[in-house]
Amino acid sequence: KQEVTQIPAALSVPEGENLVLNCSFTDSAIYNLQWFRQDPGKGLTSLLLIQSSQREQTSGRLNASLDKSSGRSTLYIAASQPGDSATYLCALRNNAGNMLTFGGGTRLMVKP
Amino acid sequence: NAGVTQTPKFQVLKTGQSMTLQCAQDMNHEYMSWYRQDPGMGLRLIHYSVGAGITDQGEVPNGYNVSRSTTEDFPLRLLSAAPSQTSVYFCASSYDRARGYTFGSGTRLTVV
Repeated sequence: KQEVTQIPAALSVPEGENLVLNCSFTDSAIYNLQWFRQDPGKGLTSLLLIQSSQREQTSGRLNASLDKSSGRSTLYIAASQPGDSATYLCALRNNAGNMLTFGGGTRLMVKP
Repeated sequence: NAGVTQTPKFQVLKTGQSMTLQCAQDMNHEYMSWYRQDPGMGLRLIHYSVGAGITDQGEVPNGYNVSRSTTEDFPLRLLSAAPSQTSVYFCASSYDRARGYTFGSGTRLTVV
C-alpha cells in the first residue's frame, strides 16, 4: 500500500524567503504526482503535475521535482509572499489512474 | 465551463437519515472520485468511476453508495448517516490518466 509523508507538517517563514516542501512515498510504481494548494475551508487547487517520466515542472515561482528511485518529490517556492500561506498537499496517482494517495500536507505561513 | 460543481456546500443530518451529495462536471472527464477529508487522517478515497456505468470501491467505502449513469454526474449516497461520517467531502474528476485531477469546492457534512 502506498504511503505518502510530507515534512515538515508546519512551516513559518518571513516574506521573501525561498523554501522547500518535501514529499516522500514508498511505492515508485506511480503514473504521476500532483501538488495542490488548499486554503482554509476551501477546495484543492492544482499547482503542478509531474508525469512519472519527468524530473521537474515549473510554474512561475513554483518548481516541483520528482525522483522516483528515491521516492521523493520537492516543491520549491521562490521569494515567498504572504499570499502563499496555505496548506500544500502532494498526491500520487497509481498506474491504473483511478486513485490518488495524499500526504498529510504542509501548513505554510509566510509572515509579512 | 464550470469545472466540478458540488451541492450542497453545507448539510446537517440526524443519525439514521439518508441523503445524496451531488457532483457534476462539464469537462467530459472520464475519471471521477469521491474523497473525504478528516483532521489527522488526510484525504481518503471513498468510491471512484472510470466511465459511465463503471464504479468501484476505494479505501473507505462502507456506508456509501455511488452510481454513474452519465459522464457528467457522480452522486454519493449516504444510506443511514452516522456521526462517524461527519467530514468534508470532495468530488474530483480527470480527463484521463495523464491529466491532473480537478477538485470541487467540497461539502461540509455534520451528522448529529
